[in-house]
Amino acid sequence: GESVGLHLPTLSVQEGDNSIINCAYSNSASDYFIWYKQESGKGPQFIIDIRSNMDKRQGQRVTVLLNKTVKHLSLQIAATQPGDSAVYFCAENIDPRRSGGSYIPTFGRGTSLIVHP
Amino acid sequence: DVKVTQSSRYLVKRTGEKVFLECVQDMDHENMFWYRQDPGLGLRLIYFSYDVKMKEKGDIPEGYSVSREKKERFSLILESASTNQTSMYLCASCLSANRGDTQYFGPGTRLTVL
Repeated sequence: GESVGLHLPTLSVQEGDNSIINCAYSNSASDYFIWYKQESGKGPQFIIDIRSNMDKRQGQRVTVLLNKTVKHLSLQIAATQPGDSAVYFCAENIDPRRSGGSYIPTFGRGTSLIVHP
Repeated sequence: DVKVTQSSRYLVKRTGEKVFLECVQDMDHENMFWYRQDPGLGLRLIYFSYDVKMKEKGDIPEGYSVSREKKERFSLILESASTNQTSMYLCASCLSANRGDTQYFGPGTRLTVL
């Protein structure tokens, strides 16, 4: 889940396990969501996105689930590998037709995924 | 592949110095963004630009200014650096912010103000 305070929530898994990282978003007007992966010392990298007219989207080894009723997003990583160790965070974007401006994302604080060999 | 580059990976400056952070993208993206990233606070938007010579304040613009003279380049300026501006600075770009395009990030500049 998303962090409170100064410390990121941490998910520790064994190599080969499936990982599920959760994100609660705040604005019911958000209609485009992105998951990013940030490795130590690097900028965030796009993993997968989903629009609000979908509730599931699959990529290579990753699946994003969207539950608009409870404003919840999750990222599932299948067969987690040591190279998946990173901070993962979600971003929500509000349709500019409803916000009066451009799509400006709001980022969650992130979850640290640690994969043990 | 989209490439977003930042002029420095690490920078050390003294209090009161004027600091320029440069960002360049090579994909003709309309929109560019500057964020700072701090432990426990996540990514916070400083400024963004949706066109050349256009800029908009983000959530934390105080102490910063920006310049977008060319479409591919977006500069962040700290007029008089202070120690509370020590942070990781991330630049991002996206094709069009009007239809929810993905933001692509640079590698970041870790700035330390002494």
